[in-house]
Formats: sequence, structure tokens, C-alpha cells
Amino acid sequence: GAVVSQHPSWVICKSGTSVKIECRSLDFQATTMFWYRQFPKQSLMLMATSNEGSKATYEQGVEKDKFLINHASLTLSTLTVTSAHPEDSSFYICSARGSSGRDYDEQFFGPGTRLTVL
Amino acid sequence: DAKTTQPPSMDCAEGRAANLPCNHSTISGNEYVYWYRQIHSQGPQYIIHGLKNNETNEMASLIITEDRKSSTLILPHATLRDTAVYYCIVRAAQTGGFKTIFGAGTRLFVKA
Repeated sequence: GAVVSQHPSWVICKSGTSVKIECRSLDFQATTMFWYRQFPKQSLMLMATSNEGSKATYEQGVEKDKFLINHASLTLSTLTVTSAHPEDSSFYICSARGSSGRDYDEQFFGPGTRLTVL
Repeated sequence: DAKTTQPPSMDCAEGRAANLPCNHSTISGNEYVYWYRQIHSQGPQYIIHGLKNNETNEMASLIITEDRKSSTLILPHATLRDTAVYYCIVRAAQTGGFKTIFGAGTRLFVKA
């Protein structure tokens, strides 16, 4: 399957700082990218959906001013956690979907970024 | 909300087949059944998907009932490395606009 990378794989930051997480589709063009958050022993929760060149669509309850998403190209999306606080500590996973020309779209997931806010 | 129901956990002996059930009684005609798994502290990994016919690949087999209201993922010879959370997801086939929503999944423990 296609490869999706995330950087960094883990990050520790102080409360009040901002953290940027990058998501790249390495061998296909991602028309849509998704950001998920996962707390310990819980399932993945969809935060937002972004299409290249347009504003992200956030799920209910997700603060768009706190979680800034930029999808500037077909291979790169970034998630910035602004003014991070300890409750933002979580495992953030991105996913990329590209058009394969078939009647379904492939969707692949990154390895995740573990954010710890002190 | 997730449109699937799965048992929260299952055990399987190493070397035996692991059969993971999933109920999706409200599946629509244009929705595929997808299976992903997540090994601890990693991103989800695609396993297999199908529409109405049974499917098989190098990882697993997918058996979909004739009425498409349930399916079973079969790992033919489970190994310790197959211990993971397995997610059954139904998702529309058309391009763009649809979202992958995860339910709680089934935590599979493969025991030696």
C-alpha cells in the first residue's frame, strides 16, 4: 500500500507553546487528508477533514482556532496545536486518501505523533 | 457514530484461525466493508475490503453475508504479531466527501 509519513513521531513541549505536526503522502497525491486524535485505550476520533487548497472541515466539538490545519499541496498537510495544554496530550494520526481511478478510494494512515504537553 | 458493532475482545491461540465478526445491519448499497488493524502505538493498517463478494489477500479473508448485514474477518494462521485492535468500518464508495469513522473495534489477543 501507499506510504504516509508523519513528523515528528513524538514531541514534548511546555504548556502554552505551539506544536506543528506534518503529514506527507510519499508516493501518491492525497486529495483529502484527515486528522485523528486518540487518547489511551480509546478509539480514533476524527478531528477534521481537509481538501487540498480549501479550508478544513472540523468535527463538532473540535476548536478550529486551536487546531490549525493547512493542506497546501497534494502531498502535505500540517496540524498546528496552538497554545498547547496538558489535556492536548494525545496520539495524533493523519490519514491520506487519493483517487485511484477505481470505484473506491484508498485511504492510508500515518504512523502517528505522540504529543506530550508538560 | 460508527455504523458497526464488534465484540470488545477475543482470544485466539497461535497458529489457529482468528475469526472476527462484525455487524453492519444498516449498510447501504454503495458502502464497502473495510477492515483495519492497529498495533499498539502505531497508525491503523489497512487489511482488506469488500462490497458483496468474499475477498482474500495475503493477510486475511473477508466473508460477507448475502444480505450484507454482517461480515467476518479471518486470519487463517494467527501469530503473536497479529495481536492488535481490529476495526470494521463501512464507508461509501464514491470519491470525496465521506469520512472514516472508527468504532471501538475488537481487541484480539493471540496467545502462545
